[in-house]
Amino acid sequence: KAGVTQTPRYLIKTRGQQVTLSCSPISGHRSVSWYQQTPGQGLQFLFEYFSETQRNKGNFPGRFSGRQFSNSRSEMNVSTLELGDSALYLCASSLEGGVRLGVLFFGEGSRLTVL
Amino acid sequence: AQSVTQPDIHITVSEGASLELRCNYSYGATPYLFWYVQSPGQGLQLLLKYFSGDTLVQGIKGFEAEFKRSQSSFNLRKPSVHWSDAAEYFCAVAGSGGSYIPTFGRGTSLIVHP
Repeated sequence: KAGVTQTPRYLIKTRGQQVTLSCSPISGHRSVSWYQQTPGQGLQFLFEYFSETQRNKGNFPGRFSGRQFSNSRSEMNVSTLELGDSALYLCASSLEGGVRLGVLFFGEGSRLTVL
Repeated sequence: AQSVTQPDIHITVSEGASLELRCNYSYGATPYLFWYVQSPGQGLQLLLKYFSGDTLVQGIKGFEAEFKRSQSSFNLRKPSVHWSDAAEYFCAVAGSGGSYIPTFGRGTSLIVHP
């Protein structure tokens, strides 16, 4: 069974640009979560989608948005990039809701560098 | 609100030595607890989880963790460390407010000396 796939793996953008990251979950997983990982803040929860609906949201500004498609694939978008958005963005999928949300299967991440 | 503290930023052990990584959580009810490992350049992988029942849980790669409610701790242990265990280890807690989204600690970096 294929794991969680994130694309692109690496990207470089400049301030003010926008970026879209993609995540394909494990087949059969309907929940997709996104995390931002930085050395200073650690792992910060961005949002979680389940059956095309945003079910949970972290404490990030509106520049960060996401969506989920009917095949459970998810994208996240960051608009008006700032230097502080440089991070590893991790996508994780989960088999079902409830406590199982804590049992996450992570992709290898998309490393974003903002210049 | 739930939170997790991993007091040790770095831990250095010799190969073959025992290991204990500390994790303390803050949560009002019975928590759901997890340990994840992240190797360089990789995503996180679940090592083990505690939902209920036996407070000593076994995980993959020879790791175990013990839930101690009185100490609000969920320490990770391994009797004999291998060089391949060098990685970043994250403790996480979930269950607050019904959302069950896990909150992660800041991580402990494990360095293994030959």
